[in-house]
Amino acid sequence: AQSVTQPDIHITVSEGASLELRCNYSYGATPYLFWYVQSPGQGLQLLLKYFSGDTLVQGIKGFEAEFKRSQSSFNLRKPSVHWSDAAEYFCAVGVLGYQKVTFGIGTKLQVIP
Amino acid sequence: EAGVTQFPSHSVIEKGQTVTLRCDPISGHDNLYWYRRVMGKEIKFLLHFVKESKQDESGMPNNRFLAERTGGTYSTLKVQPAELEDSGVYFCASSQETGGEAFFGQGTRLTVV
Repeated sequence: AQSVTQPDIHITVSEGASLELRCNYSYGATPYLFWYVQSPGQGLQLLLKYFSGDTLVQGIKGFEAEFKRSQSSFNLRKPSVHWSDAAEYFCAVGVLGYQKVTFGIGTKLQVIP
Repeated sequence: EAGVTQFPSHSVIEKGQTVTLRCDPISGHDNLYWYRRVMGKEIKFLLHFVKESKQDESGMPNNRFLAERTGGTYSTLKVQPAELEDSGVYFCASSQETGGEAFFGQGTRLTVV
């Protein structure tokens, strides 16, 4: 069975600083990988996904993620964080696209002035 | 276009009572998913409908949980009788195609006291 590890439960960054959220997955074949964000009072919103092809994927809101098969990682990055990025971020892995997705525990991002 | 809508947004019930959560998917989406996040844990898959049929209910925790999707439109998730460990946030998602991008609702926060 697939699994996802997000080692950082809470991260605090200053506005304008760069951000990297870590994600490691476990799955025997090439996975479908996702990053979702949940802002307060909102549902889960898809930031980006990796299915195949270019291992560096661009998403919405200026986020990107890089799939590294050798490290079983799919880290999320943003060069300059905005206060509105404060939210909880979930890494996820799917076996059949978006079906029966397995989520990580989430990383709460706090942005300070 | 309306997104995935869940009712109620919050529910507080006593142990032993019954609660019914409702999910209205995006119009035309045949696939409907239920997920649950217990506090401090991962978001976990509960089940998947294709139209009115249960495609996969492997994540349902026990027989106190009953999901229905009569007519292939909205879905309900009933918990009867509720236990303390059922507390958490219940998410619903829908997609047009099986394996296609799933759009999430804002979740129902259930508290069993």
